[in-house]
Amino acid sequence: GENVEQHPSTLSVQEGDSAVIKCTYSDSASNYFPWYKQELGKGPQLIIDIRSNVGEKKDQRIAVTLNKTAKHFSLHITETQPEDSAVYFCAARSSYKLIFGSGTRLLVRP
Amino acid sequence: DSGVTQTPKHLITATGQRVTLRCSPRSGDLSVYWYQQSLDQGLQFLIHYYNGEERAKGNILERFSAQQFPDLHSELNLSSLELGDSALYFCASGGLTNTGELFFGEGSRLTVL
Repeated sequence: GENVEQHPSTLSVQEGDSAVIKCTYSDSASNYFPWYKQELGKGPQLIIDIRSNVGEKKDQRIAVTLNKTAKHFSLHITETQPEDSAVYFCAARSSYKLIFGSGTRLLVRP
Repeated sequence: DSGVTQTPKHLITATGQRVTLRCSPRSGDLSVYWYQQSLDQGLQFLIHYYNGEERAKGNILERFSAQQFPDLHSELNLSSLELGDSALYFCASGGLTNTGELFFGEGSRLTVL
């Protein structure tokens, strides 16, 4: 079945450094790849997304890249801040559902 | 505030019991998705409804069932509960609009003792 793998499971960076999270997907028909941020006690919230006709998208300190041939996509956060600490999920749309990765717990050390 | 409302926020029950979780989607959204998040786990897709009809099914146990009513709210029924069913259950709406974005509720935390 459809599957999304996400790495690393935990990531600790110093404030101001960059953080990179990587995902691979299995369904070659997937065409939409969102990233969600989940803060403690809350539901996931969309932070950025990319469609299969685009290779890269940027929104201030956040960027996402997509390599359709290799079926992987990445989230890049630059100039990390303590408030970026959260769990991040990648996802891929497959048919009528979003399949999520297992999540990355990001800790930004002040 | 995502606009998706889930009740109850917390629920504690015993093994063997049955519970119902409720979700009201964002105004205008016809789709409802249910996800299960166990401790330190990812979001496992359970089921998707669109305008009252089941559209997609994930690894949903036979003890679990869901439905979407004419007013578009949805209920997830969990029966013969086991300790391993303890989890956060999220409802989300949206997804079939041009953006594809899902809007998640705050979740219902189920504890089975």
